[in-house]
Amino acid sequence: QKEVEQDPGPLSVPEGAIVSLNCTYSNSAFQYFMWYRQYSRKGPELLMYTYSSGNKEDGRFTAQVDKSSKYISLFIRDSQPSDSATYLCARGDTGGGNKLTFGTGTQLKVEL
Amino acid sequence: KAGVTQTPRYLIKTRGQQVTLSCSPISGHRSVSWYQQTPGQGLQFLFEYFSETQRNKGNFPGRFSGRQFSNSRSEMNVSTLELGDSALYLCASSSHRQGVAYEQYFGPGTRLTVT
Repeated sequence: QKEVEQDPGPLSVPEGAIVSLNCTYSNSAFQYFMWYRQYSRKGPELLMYTYSSGNKEDGRFTAQVDKSSKYISLFIRDSQPSDSATYLCARGDTGGGNKLTFGTGTQLKVEL
Repeated sequence: KAGVTQTPRYLIKTRGQQVTLSCSPISGHRSVSWYQQTPGQGLQFLFEYFSETQRNKGNFPGRFSGRQFSNSRSEMNVSTLELGDSALYLCASSSHRQGVAYEQYFGPGTRLTVT
C-alpha cells in the first residue's frame, strides 16, 4: 500500500463547477499536509498547507483534513480554465526534517 | 523575494556520464530538498540538506549524491547515468525551526534526458 493514495484522473469539469480532489494516507505519525498545483513542464506551486484536522480556506480553495479517517481533500469553488493543471497532495512529518511523500496527482481540466 | 532557482533548466547526457545540478533556495531558507519526478513513479524524495548536513535520505542508489554550501545553495550529482535517470529533478526550499515544519517551495526543475 502506498503511503499516500490519490484519486486517479483525469477529471474534466465545466467552468464554474465545484471540484473535489481527494487523498488518503496510511501513516499516523504527527504530520502536516500540502496541496500543490503543477502546470505542464513547471515546478509544483504550493496552494495550501495545514497540519490540523478541519478546514482551511484561502480564496476559492478549501483544504480539509480528517485525521481520524486519514482523509484529505481540496475543494475548488467557481473553477476556472486557468485551474486546469495536475494537483498533488503531499504529507510530511516533522520527525527529523522535511520530507514530503506525494500522491500520484490528479489531472484536472476545466472546460469553457 | 526571488523564488527557488535551478540551473540548468534542460540537460541531455549519455549513459555512463555524470551530471551536476544546482539549486539556489529562497533567501533566508536553510533547508533544501531534492525530488525526482517521472511519469511512472511520480514525485519521489531524494534527500534533504540543512546547514550543510544531509538530514534525510530517500530510497535511491548511491549514484545519487548531494551537498549544501554555507550560503545554503545546494548541488546534486548523479554518476554513471542510466536511461532510467531521465526525469525532472526538483529542488524545494524551506525555512526551519526545530520541531516545526514549514511550507516547501519548489523551483522550476531541471529536465534531464539520458540517451
